[in-house]
Amino acid sequence: DPKIIQKPKYLVAVTGSEKILICEQYLGHNAMYWYRQSAKKPLEFMFSYSYQKLMDNQTASSRFQPQSSKKNHLDLQITALKPDDSATYFCASSQESGGAPEQYFGPGTRLTVL
Amino acid sequence: GDSVTQTEGQVALSEEDFLTIHCNYSASGYPTLFWYVQYPGEGPQLLFRASRDKEKGSSRGFEATYDKGTTSFHLRKASVQESDSAVYYCALSPDSNYKLTFGKGTLLTVTP
Repeated sequence: DPKIIQKPKYLVAVTGSEKILICEQYLGHNAMYWYRQSAKKPLEFMFSYSYQKLMDNQTASSRFQPQSSKKNHLDLQITALKPDDSATYFCASSQESGGAPEQYFGPGTRLTVL
Repeated sequence: GDSVTQTEGQVALSEEDFLTIHCNYSASGYPTLFWYVQYPGEGPQLLFRASRDKEKGSSRGFEATYDKGTTSFHLRKASVQESDSAVYYCALSPDSNYKLTFGKGTLLTVTP
């Protein structure tokens, strides 16, 4: 059974619209993360949450907003979408957020903005 | 800021060849170093990690040794198999931190 679920797997959006990427983990972890992978850049850290609280935000734009409704959920809301937002977005989780813990990655959501 | 530089592009080998993918890092203090592997359509998965100078990480026949003197963590495998074909990422996490900084990835293609 998949331990980290990301939905949807593929997503196509028009410029200016808003989308929510879903992430649920069933590993019992208390820290969750978002990373982005695009054709132009390597895997980039975006956010980290620990016990549902934002620990770090490395995105330059407020258009990206993580949402944690439950301990094992960390969704990513993206508003005013731009073609440059096209990328695969990976959710990850770990047992704890300190001391360089092992992070487990989900299968990703591939977002295409037209 | 922190950075990771690894062998760029693609490495093409035949089965039973020896593999080396170079990884050098730039970070203060004692970062933890990682090798991740990514198969098509999947997220990265951890191969192994190392946290101290001279520590060797290993898994599935792959290995790398943390070298603080040369700021390196080169990935090696004595005899690759077709099933090893994937993208390999070197990454680091700073002291007492969790954020992963990845290299650009190296595509390994192994032909029978």
